[in-house]
Amino acid sequence: SQELEQSPQSLIVQEGKNLTINCTSSKTLYGLYWYKQKYGEGLIFLMMLQKGGEEKSHEKITAKLDEKKQQSSLHITASQPSHAGIYLCGADGTGTASKLTFGTGTRLQVTL
Amino acid sequence: DSGVTQTPKHLITATGQRVTLRCSPRSGDLSVYWYQQSLDQGLQFLIQYYNGEERAKGNILERFSAQQFPDLHSELNLSSLELGDSALYFCASSVGVNYGYTFGSGTRLTVV
Repeated sequence: SQELEQSPQSLIVQEGKNLTINCTSSKTLYGLYWYKQKYGEGLIFLMMLQKGGEEKSHEKITAKLDEKKQQSSLHITASQPSHAGIYLCGADGTGTASKLTFGTGTRLQVTL
Repeated sequence: DSGVTQTPKHLITATGQRVTLRCSPRSGDLSVYWYQQSLDQGLQFLIQYYNGEERAKGNILERFSAQQFPDLHSELNLSSLELGDSALYFCASSVGVNYGYTFGSGTRLTVV
């Protein structure tokens, strides 16, 4: 079965700093999804990447899927307190979207 | 509001009891997915239904069952509850491949 490893597990950054979260898969990724979760709440869809080399941006968040399609990175530029939460990557390992496997998450805190 | 409605938001029950969690998918979405999120296990896929039929199964216990009704809402039944079943239970829906999942806000189950 597919496993996703996220790093770092937690991160504390000062407001205004940049940061990167990585997601590494044990198998080829057919689709890679990034979600954000505020503590104890639902998951908010951020972005979906499907093609090797693909890069997408939304506001100050950029996600990339590497060429070999086994790793993705999420980069936040000029972090703000509103970016705080848990970031989860989810992967479709079959190409059918029958289920998504999720990483264990990266907990982000942004200090003033 | 994501468009995926889960009820109840909170549930406290005793060991050995049975509960039913309800999910109404986003309008037009035929697929419903159930996930369990606990502190030690992360977000775990339980089961998927597509237009009333079971499509994929994950690590769902035999004490748990689910169904999707003709109006596409879904119910997750948890029986003979144990302390370890305490978790956040999420429902997600999707219109199909390549469109990602939309998550509900979850049901927090506490077994005492």
